[in-house]
Amino acid sequence: ELKVEQNPLFLSMQEGKNYTIYCNYSTTSDRLYWYRQDPGKSLESLFVLLSNGAVKQEGRLMASLDTKARLSTLHITAAVHDLSATYFCAVDMQGGSEKLVFGKGTKLTVNP
Amino acid sequence: NAGVTQTPKFRVLKTGQSMTLLCAQDMNHEYMYWYRQDPGMGLRLIHYSVGEGTTAKGEVPDGYNVSRLKKQNFLLGLESAAPSQTSVYFCASSYTIRVHEQFFGPGTRLTVL
Repeated sequence: ELKVEQNPLFLSMQEGKNYTIYCNYSTTSDRLYWYRQDPGKSLESLFVLLSNGAVKQEGRLMASLDTKARLSTLHITAAVHDLSATYFCAVDMQGGSEKLVFGKGTKLTVNP
Repeated sequence: NAGVTQTPKFRVLKTGQSMTLLCAQDMNHEYMYWYRQDPGMGLRLIHYSVGEGTTAKGEVPDGYNVSRLKKQNFLLGLESAAPSQTSVYFCASSYTIRVHEQFFGPGTRLTVL
């Protein structure tokens, strides 16, 4: 059974600081997805990582995937208040599964 | 394109009542999914469909039924609602076999009294 763990689950940081959110998963997969959810809203796709060593960047966010370590990171550079949201990673079960397994999410609060 | 839409956005039910949630997508996606989201539990898959006329159980299927009579629509039914089914329900769809990037609807907030 595929398990996906994110940490931390809660993150409070100051504007201008850097931080990393970690997503570990328990079985082999080379496809990982990051989503953002604002309070009371739906999930929005941020990044799709499809191979070992994949790196994607959008603004102050950068995501990477290490399939050997079964680890993805979401790095936040010089945080701003607008990045406050909950971030989810989701892993594609290898072997033709049509399902994603989601982590519990990391609630990020960026304080002025 | 409207993407993924859900009807209704909010609903309050009494215990034992039934209702159907409708999900529609206009992206010609093959796969569709129903999730529930509860505080501290993340997203949990209820049922999903890999094509018109097919459905499969997810992680938490008990108390729910689904139907996919048309490719663009995926219905989630609660036959006899219970307070434990109070949640936010999200529908999602995805296209390719290789990449399962899912696109989510706006959600339905359901309260069962």
